[in-house]
Amino acid sequence: KNEVEQSPQNLTAQEGEFITINCSYSVGISALHWLQQHPGGGIVSLFMLSSGKKKHGRLIATINIQEKHSSLHITASHPRDSAVYICAARGSARQLTFGSGTQLTVLP
Amino acid sequence: SAVISQKPSRDICQRGTSLTIQCQVDSQVTMMFWYRQQPGQSLTLIATANQGSEATYESGFVIDKFPISRPNLTFSTLTVSNMSPEDSSIYLCSVEEARRRTEAFFGQGTRLTVV
Repeated sequence: KNEVEQSPQNLTAQEGEFITINCSYSVGISALHWLQQHPGGGIVSLFMLSSGKKKHGRLIATINIQEKHSSLHITASHPRDSAVYICAARGSARQLTFGSGTQLTVLP
Repeated sequence: SAVISQKPSRDICQRGTSLTIQCQVDSQVTMMFWYRQQPGQSLTLIATANQGSEATYESGFVIDKFPISRPNLTFSTLTVSNMSPEDSSIYLCSVEEARRRTEAFFGQGTRLTVV
């Protein structure tokens, strides 16, 4: 069973700061997802990674397969980025194992 | 990408009653999943909804409590039966498209409060 750990659990930043959220997993995966969950509960898929790096606007996701580690970066953070960020690892059984989430609050 | 409509978005229900949550997708998808997120917890898979056959439940979840239907490739329902306050959670459906089987798409979630 894959174990997925995220850090930090909570993060408060000032607007404009560079933010990093980390995710580690214990066994080999076929893909890793970064998700964003807003207070209403709905989830938006931000990235799906199997190697390297992806960028979308101010968001950057990287993955190191050998180290079993992924990071989500937010540049020039804004209060509207405040949400819960969740990483999820897809294993060989194709099921997703979710991290516990990082509550991000960006203050104006 | 698949667009998912999940209804209702939230509900407050009396204990002992049942609630059916619907998940409608705008394209044919191979896999549909139902997740539960209890307060302060990560998402937990309840079951995989199989088209035309019984759902596959994860350990700790049973069909009598969480009956699931999937009559076709674009629609599924999850019923939370005989509810108690412990069932207060966010319930989410998730799908995978036939052509992009590692991509995952999520509904907007149903926030259920049982009183």
